[in-house]
Amino acid sequence: ETGVTQSPTHLIKTRGQQVTLRCSSQSGHNTVSWYQQALGQGPQFIFQYYREEENGRGNFPPRFSGLQFPNYSSELNVNALELDDSALYLCASSFGGRANQPQHFGDGTRLSIL
Amino acid sequence: EDQVTQSPEALRLQEGESSSLNCSYTVSGLRGLFWYRQDPGKGPEFLFTLYSAGEEKEKERLKATLTKKESFLHITAPKPEDSATYLCAVQDRRGSEKLVFGKGTKLTVNP
Repeated sequence: ETGVTQSPTHLIKTRGQQVTLRCSSQSGHNTVSWYQQALGQGPQFIFQYYREEENGRGNFPPRFSGLQFPNYSSELNVNALELDDSALYLCASSFGGRANQPQHFGDGTRLSIL
Repeated sequence: EDQVTQSPEALRLQEGESSSLNCSYTVSGLRGLFWYRQDPGKGPEFLFTLYSAGEEKEKERLKATLTKKESFLHITAPKPEDSATYLCAVQDRRGSEKLVFGKGTKLTVNP
């Protein structure tokens, strides 16, 4: 069983640039959630995709956007990068529609904004 | 608004010294409470799901319990390889299946 994989592992950008992060979900999972984890903090929910539709969004501005593809992989796009966007971005997959299914996380993309 | 508070922020134990981590939560309707372990530079690794008050789950040296207001992660006779940050998260019955996390407890077990 292949777990959740994310790419790239590390990324350095400058303020104002745009970035795309990628996530391949675990085999058999149809739901992908994205989280932002600042240093020393717990993960913060950005949004979730279920069967290619957005299914909930946290308190993040519209410059954070996403996609889910027919194979259930997903992208997170961030426009007009700000210094505060420096964080670990985590993707988690699960089997949505079944109560209480745990989300399984990838190892994240470390994004640094200069 | 759903909230999760974990204590202590950091805990140092000697190998074999048992202890407990606390997770206090506020949620309108609990769908599930989740415990994860996170090693440095890695994503959270799923440990347990608890669904209702009174429920308990065990895995090796770890035991998780749940009441209507809090959850405990009991660590019995810990080993240095148990050193990690332990995260607690809740999932509300309302809306999407998002997880609301606490800040975590950083556990260090010295040999």
